[in-house]
Amino acid sequence: GEDVEQSLFLSVREGDSSVINCTYTDSSSTYLYWYKQEPGAGLQLLTYIFSNMDMKQDQRLTVLLNKKDKHLSLRIADTQTGDSAIYFCAEKVPDSWGKFQFGAGTQVVVTP
Amino acid sequence: DSGVTQTPKHLITATGQRVTLRCSPRSGDLSVYWYQQSLDQGLQFLIQYYNGEERAKGNILERFSAQQFPDLHSELNLSSLELGDSALYFCASSPFIGTASSYEQYFGPGTRLTVT
Repeated sequence: GEDVEQSLFLSVREGDSSVINCTYTDSSSTYLYWYKQEPGAGLQLLTYIFSNMDMKQDQRLTVLLNKKDKHLSLRIADTQTGDSAIYFCAEKVPDSWGKFQFGAGTQVVVTP
Repeated sequence: DSGVTQTPKHLITATGQRVTLRCSPRSGDLSVYWYQQSLDQGLQFLIQYYNGEERAKGNILERFSAQQFPDLHSELNLSSLELGDSALYFCASSPFIGTASSYEQYFGPGTRLTVT
């Protein structure tokens, strides 16, 4: 497909794990990113992964990459109310200096 | 606070008008990116500058133009405004080009443009 695709909504209970999924467009994409946007704010970089990695862990965040299926996921362990936000995956378009494609964003709502 | 500043925070203007949005990148960052965020289109990449030169272009309309000045701040000019141009416009900056960390983008708080 031509677009970076994400599910639009995820509801999770506080303390559970959240998994946000993303399908990106180009199997040769090298750099893939996750951003978080809280209401009324700009996007905040959470983490990124190289295409030569399958997994990256950063505190409560785990990124999994399946290059064959062009699938990227972000797992948030022990989800907290402060994790309620919109999460965007993004890929740097291959062979471009700095063109990025972002998904539509997944709204994560954490309930007590 | 990302260190990226954008002015103005809000802008209300009429159709047909022209506006200029301003962005100051983080200290030391050479690359500036502009994005448009709207409810129906999501986050769209518009254009990227690196050290004063245009490096990548997205779906930027011909009515829109941008530039990056020698002091590395950037301006996005929107002209002949239409109702559909109402959106949040974000600027982001990153250190340099070459590695994944170089593409780590730090976003400003955005300029909310309302065209009436």
